[in-house]
Amino acid sequence: DAMVIQNPRYQVTQFGKPVTLSCSQTLNHNVMYWYQQKSSQAPKLLFHYYDKDFNNEADTPDNFQSRRPNTSFCFLDIRSPGLGDAAMYLCATSRDGTGGNQPQHFGDGTRLSIL
Amino acid sequence: DAKTTQPNSMESNEEEPVHLPCNHSTISGTDYIHWYRQLPSQGPEYVIHGLTSNVNNRMASLAIAEDRKSSTLILHRATLRDAAVYYCILRGVHGSSNTGKLIFGQGTTLQVKP
Repeated sequence: DAMVIQNPRYQVTQFGKPVTLSCSQTLNHNVMYWYQQKSSQAPKLLFHYYDKDFNNEADTPDNFQSRRPNTSFCFLDIRSPGLGDAAMYLCATSRDGTGGNQPQHFGDGTRLSIL
Repeated sequence: DAKTTQPNSMESNEEEPVHLPCNHSTISGTDYIHWYRQLPSQGPEYVIHGLTSNVNNRMASLAIAEDRKSSTLILHRATLRDAAVYYCILRGVHGSSNTGKLIFGQGTTLQVKP
């Protein structure tokens, strides 16, 4: 059974139209991450939540925001998507973000297309 | 952030062992060595991790050099389903520069031939 679930698997939006991607987890993990993966590139961390504490990467554009209303759910909001935001967006969890010993568990991603 | 270096691509024959190398000469004493793989159209999948000693699990083995500046992921019998991009990543503990983060490099694309 999937433990990190991302919906939808494919999302199409219009240039400049806000879009929200969702992620849920059944692992009860403290930490939830959002990565962006463009075609033929490696995943790139955007930000993460350690419980309710939000940690943004320095080079994440302001256009990207996140919400975590409870332990199980985390959302990625793109306020005004541009053509360059077309990518696979990956959600991941880990039990403890401060321990290098903890693996991350990934969902299968949402592929976002911009028209 | 401590970086890793991997070959861009490797080929293997089905049912033969595969040794995927990774160099991490700037590794710190508290960095764990993690391996993930990503199959086409899927999210990355955790494979194995270690600190100093060699590690085995149902998916693979991890051999870590004595000076920890390199490691090798070993798939004992490659199958067609093992064709993927394999990422070697250093993950720090609290207080180090890459705490909790996975900083992905370009990885090694493994092709498995029947």
